[in-house]
Amino acid sequence: QKEVEQNSGPLSVPEGAIASLNCTYSDRGSQSFFWYRQYSGKSPELIMFIYSNGDKEDGRFTAQLNKASQYVSLLIRDSQPSDSATYLCAVSAGGGNKLTFGTGTQLKVEL
Amino acid sequence: GAGVSQTPSNKVTEKGKYVELRCDPISGHTALYWYRQSLGQGPEFLIYFQGTGAADDSGLPNDRFFAVRPEGSVSTLKIQRTERGDSAVYLCASSSTTSGGVRGTQYFGPGTRLTVL
Repeated sequence: QKEVEQNSGPLSVPEGAIASLNCTYSDRGSQSFFWYRQYSGKSPELIMFIYSNGDKEDGRFTAQLNKASQYVSLLIRDSQPSDSATYLCAVSAGGGNKLTFGTGTQLKVEL
Repeated sequence: GAGVSQTPSNKVTEKGKYVELRCDPISGHTALYWYRQSLGQGPEFLIYFQGTGAADDSGLPNDRFFAVRPEGSVSTLKIQRTERGDSAVYLCASSSTTSGGVRGTQYFGPGTRLTVL
């Protein structure tokens, strides 16, 4: 069983719609949760981080964390074609804050 | 520049050769991480430094891989006797601290694409 699991996609949504990206993790000791965006051929870019149960909003992005269910999600409102990328979920269980990544979900926002 | 830099951006080598990959972290960041990303996969942790010392090298795949950070800033990842399976993008990241919270957020460099023929 992978430590961090994501649906690889592609997830296709029309422009202006809400994109919902999901991630589950296996280590109950995980403390910090990150969403990175990665364009093809580029390095990961931090979008959101969340540490506490509940929702955290930043502009068009909302991260949701449910530690009891070991589930973290990212919602992108008013999706734009420029949001088309791979979204990586990353988890840290402390111990130096090294990150364990999922395989990423490819998002395609269609005109 | 203000971000993490990595050199070279691309490295092509032959099986059995030795390579060095360099990372220059964000100024003032004490924590430095190396990850490896294969096609279609997420980055995989290799090693991290807190200051000059390697605090956790549990992700290094075998003893052909070694990394140093002698002055607590620039780091070099060294791969001996390269194999075709070593081909990947090697990513470096840095953060202010190794603890959680905002200051522990890792910022990635552009990566070095290593191809072993």
